[in-house]
Amino acid sequence: GQQLNQSPQSMFIQEGEDVSMNCTSSSIFNTWLWYKQDPGEGPVLLIALYKAGELTSNGRLTAQFGITRKDSFLNISASIPSDVGIYFCAGRDSGTYKYIFGTGTRLKVLA
Amino acid sequence: NAGVMQNPRHLVRRRGQEARLRCSPMKGHSHVYWYRQLPEEGLKFMVYLQKENIIDESGMPKERFSAEFPKEGPSILRIQQVVRGDSAAYFCASSPQLQGNEAYGYTFGSGTRLTVV
Repeated sequence: GQQLNQSPQSMFIQEGEDVSMNCTSSSIFNTWLWYKQDPGEGPVLLIALYKAGELTSNGRLTAQFGITRKDSFLNISASIPSDVGIYFCAGRDSGTYKYIFGTGTRLKVLA
Repeated sequence: NAGVMQNPRHLVRRRGQEARLRCSPMKGHSHVYWYRQLPEEGLKFMVYLQKENIIDESGMPKERFSAEFPKEGPSILRIQQVVRGDSAAYFCASSPQLQGNEAYGYTFGSGTRLTVV
C-alpha cells in the first residue's frame, strides 16, 4: 500500500541538541499529522496541520505544512531523554477519510 | 491514549487457533480504523468501519481476516487459523463524524500485541 517516506530513518543525538525530520509524499495532502510512539504503546498525536504553509508549535515541537502540500517537517528543540521514540507523519487528502502513515523516524537521545 | 480501549494488551495463540481483538472507540467517535504494525515497521492500514458498516477493507488480507463494528459493543478484528506471520501489534484508532471539510486526527489505543507460537 501507499506510504510516506520519512527521513532520517533513525538518529542518535546528544541531549540538548535540536532535531529535524521530514516527510515527503508523491500525493498532495490537505492534512498532515505528527505522532510519537513510545515502546509498547500506541501512537500519540503531537501536532495537526490543516493548511499549506502553516507553522504550528506544541512546546518544544514545531511542525510545518509544506507549501507544495507534498511534504511536512517536524523540529524538536533542546532534546531531552524522554524524546526517545518513533515519530510518524501521516497525511490525508480532502474527501478521503484514510490517513497514510510514514515509515517512521527512530530517535535516540544520548544523555 | 485514554479513551480508545483495546483488549487484550497481549495475546498468545498457537498456529491454527483464532484470535479476537477488541476495540471500544472514544466516547462520541463513530469511526473506527484498524492498523497493523510489524516489528521495526510503520503502521499499515487494514480496515475502516462505521457502526454496522465496513467502509474500506482494502488493507485486509483476502483470507482469514474479518472485522465488524456492531450497533452495540466494541469493534472486533478476527483472525482465523493464525499463522506465525500474523504476529504483530494491532492498533485501533477512532475519530468523530466528519462534517464537510473538517479534519480530525485519529486517537489510537494502546494496541494488542499478538504472538503466534
